[in-house]
Amino acid sequence: EPEVTQTPSHQVTQMGQEVILRCVPISNHLYFYWYRQILGQKVEFLVSFYNNEISEKSEIFDDQFSVERPDGSNFTLKIRSTKLEDSAMYFCASSRRIADVPYEQYFGPGTRLTVT
Amino acid sequence: GQQVMQIPQYQHVQEGEDFTTYCNSSTTLSNIQWYKQRPGGHPVFLIQLVKSGEVKKQKRLTFQFGEAKKNSSLHITATQTTDVGTYFCAGGSQGNLIFGKGTKLSVKP
Repeated sequence: EPEVTQTPSHQVTQMGQEVILRCVPISNHLYFYWYRQILGQKVEFLVSFYNNEISEKSEIFDDQFSVERPDGSNFTLKIRSTKLEDSAMYFCASSRRIADVPYEQYFGPGTRLTVT
Repeated sequence: GQQVMQIPQYQHVQEGEDFTTYCNSSTTLSNIQWYKQRPGGHPVFLIQLVKSGEVKKQKRLTFQFGEAKKNSSLHITATQTTDVGTYFCAGGSQGNLIFGKGTKLSVKP
């Protein structure tokens, strides 16, 4: 069964450093998402991406964040200058969608980001 | 902005007991999805409800979508230890999902 993959599984970085989290969505999916989950808390929407552009973003997704689809398979989340409060599990997800009815989202295993 | 509230936050049950989690949205939803996250795992899609008043069943799980499309519930009959995890509802009004805080279910054998 196709699945979303994410690398690395765990990233440790120092405050102020840039990190790039990578995701390979399911190949025939058109919509891509990033979520974060601070330990023990709920899953929070960051951004959705369709047709090579951001379709929606949350208040969390400020100027420190950016997303990119550099080629036909990868989908990346960049945090330019990490802060301690960016420590969380970051999930990538992808879905098909027809018209205005979203399909289920398939989540990757996540990247645990630890900012020290 | 849109909020999705979920109760209870935690539920401890004896194996064999039933379990219900409730989800309420501040706005009318186009659809609601339910996900299960096992400890240390990632959210896994369970089901999507789209129609007002819709009821769907998956074995021991029953999902309902309210008539006003602002609330939903998940009911598990006769819980098993394999049901352990956090159950999230996620509401969509413009295609993107807003997750509830989840209900963490623990099952005592």
